[in-house]
Amino acid sequence: KNEVEQSPQNLTAQEGEFITINCSYSVGISALHWLQQHPGGGIVSLFMLSSGKKKHGRLIATINIQEKHSSLHITASHPRDSAVYICAVVRGAGNQFYFGTGTSLTVIP
Amino acid sequence: DTGVSQDPRHKITKRGQNVTFRCDPISEHNRLYWYRQTLGQGPEFLTYFQNEAQLEKSRLLSDRFSAERPKGSFSTLEIQRTEQGDSAMYLCASSHALSTGELFFGEGSRLTVL
Repeated sequence: KNEVEQSPQNLTAQEGEFITINCSYSVGISALHWLQQHPGGGIVSLFMLSSGKKKHGRLIATINIQEKHSSLHITASHPRDSAVYICAVVRGAGNQFYFGTGTSLTVIP
Repeated sequence: DTGVSQDPRHKITKRGQNVTFRCDPISEHNRLYWYRQTLGQGPEFLTYFQNEAQLEKSRLLSDRFSAERPKGSFSTLEIQRTEQGDSAMYLCASSHALSTGELFFGEGSRLTVL
């Protein structure tokens, strides 16, 4: 069983819809990251969370440490948001990253 | 410095050949990570370096795989006697040990073993 589980695996939305992607983990962590990966491989960091909530533009990320759960929300979704969104947890002395399998988002105009 | 760079971006090779990938991290970053990603999966940890020391290796890293970071700057990942199952995207990332952990990724090196 993967230590990091994401849902849904695939998501198709109409432009303008509010989107939620969920991440659950089963181990103690020092931080959680949300990453965005576009076709071709490049990965960029969206958020790093250790508690609470962060907002950047139309993106909001929350984490509940007690429940070992995080959510990524996209408000007013746009076709350019189409990408794979990956949740990654950080643990261990070496700050090891452990990744979920990603959620593939397609936003249709 | 424009970020983490990897070379080559794509490599097609025949089974049994050796391949080497290079990663140049962000210059002030002392931690360097190698990951492997197959289609539909998240990245899987292979190994990481702090400066020139290889501090951890995944059990995924068979004896056909070797990674080096001789001067604590760029790193190479070599795969000997490639197998079709080695076909994947090999991602390099770097960070600073004193940071709170943001990881900067390269564009990846895609390997296809025929």
